[in-house]
Amino acid sequence: EVQLVESGGGLVQPGGSLRLSCAASGFTFSNYGMNWVRQAPGKGLEWVSYISSSSSTTYYADSVKGRFTISRDNARKSLYLQMNSLRADDTAAYYCARDRGVTGRNWFDPWGQGTLVTVSS
Amino acid sequence: QSVLTQPPSVSGAPGQRVTISCTVSSPYIGAGYDVHWYKQLPGTAPKLLIYANINRPSGVPDRFSGSKSDTSASLAITGLQAEDEADYYCQSYDSSLSTWVFGGGTKLTVL
Repeated sequence: EVQLVESGGGLVQPGGSLRLSCAASGFTFSNYGMNWVRQAPGKGLEWVSYISSSSSTTYYADSVKGRFTISRDNARKSLYLQMNSLRADDTAAYYCARDRGVTGRNWFDPWGQGTLVTVSS
Repeated sequence: QSVLTQPPSVSGAPGQRVTISCTVSSPYIGAGYDVHWYKQLPGTAPKLLIYANINRPSGVPDRFSGSKSDTSASLAITGLQAEDEADYYCQSYDSSLSTWVFGGGTKLTVL
């Protein structure tokens, strides 16, 4: 069974840092691009970042560019999101999602269960 | 404001047909880009419903169908059931920003 499990969320003060992890199983992780998508409480989905299968290409939403860094370890079948300079509006459930299709036509499937990040003093 | 615009809510009675629109407002999401749909039940992660405009993943009932033109996409649900009550999101790609975008989401209420 294809599965993604996020961890690392929690309560952090504004300006602080947090590192999210996403453990993959049930598929050849190194063959797929991966994404982070977030959802603020009561709000819609917002794409955050993408990393290609070999880590050669990364993209970020403008809202996190310069503060967040996506990375992966194919040997460990793990995806990461390093979040620095956190702000209150970064409060959200963060989902990792496998990338399917080719860029421009790609979709996300499956998704992890999400990990909640709360930025508050 | 998202470049993909969905109605905030739609509703229908059991057995009826409903459609959810996803209007493209960016010139950089057009004929060459696909629209995908996700269903999200309260407190759970989104789940893929339709990919590449019209395709259903294995396990998705054929009550769900998608369509797309150059400037909009639609999700149709026939034979509405109570378990269809959820939030639905469309998603595409904005080539001008090299970013992926979601519509604002539509809450479907089964009356």
